[in-house]
Amino acid sequence: DAGVIQSPRHEVTEMGQEVTLRCKPISGHNSLFWYRQTMMRGLELLIYFNNNVPIDDSGMPEDRFSAKMPNASFSTLKIQPSEPRDSAVYFCASSRRTGLGETQYFGPGTRLLVL
Amino acid sequence: KQEVTQIPAALSVPEGENLVLNCSFTDSAIYNLQWFRQDPGKGLTSLLLIQSSQREQTSGRLNASLDKSSGRSTLYIAASQPGDSATYLCAVDSGANSKLTFGKGITLSVRP
Repeated sequence: DAGVIQSPRHEVTEMGQEVTLRCKPISGHNSLFWYRQTMMRGLELLIYFNNNVPIDDSGMPEDRFSAKMPNASFSTLKIQPSEPRDSAVYFCASSRRTGLGETQYFGPGTRLLVL
Repeated sequence: KQEVTQIPAALSVPEGENLVLNCSFTDSAIYNLQWFRQDPGKGLTSLLLIQSSQREQTSGRLNASLDKSSGRSTLYIAASQPGDSATYLCAVDSGANSKLTFGKGITLSVRP
């Protein structure tokens, strides 16, 4: 398996622009997680889906952020409009939820810089 | 709200040394605890997962222990090697939905 795939790997944009980050989870995994990592705050969970349904979006910082999972093999995280403080590394992770607590497999991340 | 702390933030040791990385958490009602490794510019790789009913897990030169009552976990690395240089993150799952709370990590440097 190719693992969790994220695109783009790097994104540089200007303040006010829309940014869309993409994720393809590992086939057969039914849980998907979006994280943001910064030096100041560390790794924070933004939102997670189970069977394509958003379960908890309490970590989404504000209405400028939105996430979708239209099917089991694809998810997007959108920021509109983007701001310099959104600069961070965004990770997508997936797991096979069995109720026993499963290992999460992380993608390589998208490094976002908002100028 | 669960909080996870890892101290110190950075550690430098000579090759061959046995070392212990510490992790503490505020709410002992956890489902499991996981240790991850992150190499510079890369994603996270899971190392060990300890269920709440377990006391420790081992994988090769790595051994992770869990003491729920005191809110602590340790990651023991035996005979450290330069290839072990990375950031090690501890994460706690406080419920059955696999929602993890991460510490900020310990950046380990193993000197040849």
